[in-house]
Amino acid sequence: GAVVSQHPSRVICKSGTSVKIECRSLDFQATTMFWYRQFPKQSLMLMATSNEGSKATYEQGVEKDKFLINHASLTLSTLTVTSAHPEDSSFYICSAVDTEAFFGQGTRLTVV
Amino acid sequence: DAKTTQPPSMDCAEGRAANLPCNHSTISGNEYVYWYRQIHSQGPQYIIHGLKNNETNEMASLIITEDRKSSTLILPHATLRDTAVYYCIAVTTDSWGKFQFGAGTQVVVTP
Repeated sequence: GAVVSQHPSRVICKSGTSVKIECRSLDFQATTMFWYRQFPKQSLMLMATSNEGSKATYEQGVEKDKFLINHASLTLSTLTVTSAHPEDSSFYICSAVDTEAFFGQGTRLTVV
Repeated sequence: DAKTTQPPSMDCAEGRAANLPCNHSTISGNEYVYWYRQIHSQGPQYIIHGLKNNETNEMASLIITEDRKSSTLILPHATLRDTAVYYCIAVTTDSWGKFQFGAGTQVVVTP
């Protein structure tokens, strides 16, 4: 089946720095990808819709200047957490839609 | 998309069938019922989906009531590896892939 790969799987960064997370569709092209965030013991929360060649659409309450999304090709979307703070520590998950919606394995971000 | 309601947790004995209910009483005619599961610290995994008819694949069966207001996911022979949070989601093709996850059901399969 289709595979979506995220990188890195884990990252620890210092407060105030920026972190980039990549989401790739490995065997299909995805004009649309989605980014979710999941805090411990909570469900996944949709952050934004990433559209190839155009601006991302953010959900209410998600700061677009803090969570920069770039979808420059049909197989790659990136999420950059800018000026990260400890409260941004979370599990970030992407998905891409082919015949179904396929999810990446997630990225565990810890900001210290 | 219609809201779904699931029990917060369920235990199941290994080798037995696990029946996971989902209520979606406000579902509209063009909304599909999707089931995903999330094993700890991994991304969600697709299980099965349906619109009106019952569906079966190698992982599970999906039973949708005639009025479509509820459905049941059946894992026919639960194994320890089926321990996960199971999510039932109602979604239209217009918002394809744009999922609003509820709290899901934490299923624990015990030996």
